[in-house]
Amino acid sequence: QSVLTQPPSASGTPGQRVTISCSGSSSNIGRNTVSWYQQLPGTAPKLLIYSNNQRPSGVPDRFSGSKSGTSASLAISGLQSGDEADYYCATWDDNLKGVVFGGGTKLTVL
Amino acid sequence: QVQLQESGPGLVKPSETLSLTCTVSGGSISDYYWSWIRQPPGKGLEWIGYVYFPGSTNYIPSLKSRVTMSIDTSKHQLSLKLTSVTAADTAVYYCARDPYGGADVFDIWGQGTMVTVSS
Repeated sequence: QSVLTQPPSASGTPGQRVTISCSGSSSNIGRNTVSWYQQLPGTAPKLLIYSNNQRPSGVPDRFSGSKSGTSASLAISGLQSGDEADYYCATWDDNLKGVVFGGGTKLTVL
Repeated sequence: QVQLQESGPGLVKPSETLSLTCTVSGGSISDYYWSWIRQPPGKGLEWIGYVYFPGSTNYIPSLKSRVTMSIDTSKHQLSLKLTSVTAADTAVYYCARDPYGGADVFDIWGQGTMVTVSS
């Protein structure tokens, strides 16, 4: 069982906006920033969002992140078939003194 | 641009030691934190720990007694050793760069190497 809780699956149709949630606690999301990773099938994860809402160079602005209290969210607008992937949230946990990941959300584009 | 490449045996026997290397090319190895992250087949990501020059480390508590990470700047390599492996250690192992130092941001990843623990 992961320290951070994500829905196992999410779906949307092309062009739609979808959000993926990530729930934690005061020892992790409540005190630290959150990052998000996209893992396309058979590939290594790719950094999508860091510091809650910052996009690395090259990541389209269709991807956005937010954080409130002990929860965070990833929003994907203008959904495309190429967005089908697993998405993971991550943050530092002050109790564990290490990085914790969510269990991952499999996004399906219908 | 910076590239990471993991290497090591794909098959390890139970109770033996898993040893992996990550070669860093195209950039400095001494200026960053480097993490190892693993992913069991069909499951999510698990952070194992980090190492930074000249050799400071931080490991996840559940693996701390079995893990050793090191950094060799002369060879531009990181290494991961995990002792007394069991089937539960079967996973794809990734090395990744942490540009902020001991945080949750991994901006460059290796392609990963699959390690199976089996007799």
